[in-house]
This record gives sequence, C-alpha cells and structure tokens, in this order.
Amino acid sequence: DTAVSQTPKYLVTQMGNDKSIKCEQNLGHDTMYWYKQDSKKFLKIMFSYNNKELIINETVPNRFSPKSPDKAHLNLHINSLELGDSAVYFCASSLGDGESGYTFGSGTRLTVV
Amino acid sequence: GENVEQHPSTLSVQEGDSAVIKCTYSDSASNYFPWYKQELGKRPQLIIDIRSNVGEKKDQRIAVTLNKTAKHFSLHITETQPEDSAVYFCAVPSGSARQLTFGSGTQLTVLP
Repeated sequence: DTAVSQTPKYLVTQMGNDKSIKCEQNLGHDTMYWYKQDSKKFLKIMFSYNNKELIINETVPNRFSPKSPDKAHLNLHINSLELGDSAVYFCASSLGDGESGYTFGSGTRLTVV
Repeated sequence: GENVEQHPSTLSVQEGDSAVIKCTYSDSASNYFPWYKQELGKRPQLIIDIRSNVGEKKDQRIAVTLNKTAKHFSLHITETQPEDSAVYFCAVPSGSARQLTFGSGTQLTVLP
C-alpha cells in the first residue's frame, strides 16, 4: 500500500481554469502538508493542516485553498490558474510533533499553458 | 521565520570519495534536523535525522553531525557511489506548527 498517494501525477491545463489535486495518507498521521517545488527545486511550504488548525503560508495567493474532509485526506484546490503556478506540488504527512520526519507523496506536475 | 542556508548548491565527487553538505539555521529552539534525498523525478525521502540531544548519528555510509552552539549541521556521505547522485535537502522545524523549512538543496553528482 502506498503510504501517501496523490492524484493526478500529471496535470496540464489552460490559464484561467480551476483544478484540484487529491492527497490521501494511510499512516494514521495527524498532520498533512502541501509543498510547492519550483523549477529550481526549492521546496516551499504552502499549508499545514491537522484536526485543529490550518496554517497558511502568507505568500500563498488566496486562489489556493486546502480542503480536508477528514484527517486522512488533504486536497488542494486552485482557482483561476496562472502560468506561474506551473510547478510540482507535493503532499506530505507526519505526526506533527516537530520531531518526526515527513512522508511525501509522489508529486503532481502541474503545467499551465 | 526560520532561515535555513544550505551549501554547496552543487557538488561533484569521484566515486569512492566523500561528500559533505552543510546547513545553518537561525532558530535556536530547533531540536530536530532531518536530511532528505530526492532522485530525479521522484519524491523527497528521509534518509537520516538527528535530535539535539546527540552530536552525531551514523547509518552505514551516511552520517549527520550537529553543532547546536554554532547552529549548523552537516550530512556526510562516505565511499560515494553513482546511485548517491541526487538532490539533498536539509530541513528545520519552524513556526508555531513546527513545520519543516527546507534548505535550497544540493545537487550531488558522483562521477564513475
């Protein structure tokens, strides 16, 4: 079983469209995250979410919104896609105690044309 | 927020040689220091981590050393092999949620 699974793996879409990326973890972790990796390989936190709290990186445009139906799922919805949104998006999960490693999903390569 | 600086950005070594990657951080409250390896087209994977109550940890050919006073920690890979070629990231917990802030990455190339 894949511990953290993301779908889709590839996503090509036109500017202005709305899209969603799904993430599920079966590790029983309390906290899930979304990271954006740009073409220079920088891994930048976008959101962290547990049952109690959503932490939003202040640099993330409000076109991006996380949605969590339960603690095993954290989806990412993006409105009005722009060319600069093209990147690889990684979901991850952890115990959320600040002393545990993350398990990453396989990533979603988003290309906006 | 946490400031994590990683050096060098690229590193080429001959197979069998050692490689060292260093990270410095700013938050003195940080007490957990992981390293991740990301192969081309793959996800980052945790390869080793250290907590602040120890100064060094080894796992076969990889080791991490920590200097809390100077606020830096390093990844050491000995007897490098071509399959060690990847991007390596350090990370440090930051913010109220202690989420990981990653360094900028080091592209390691092991030449056969």
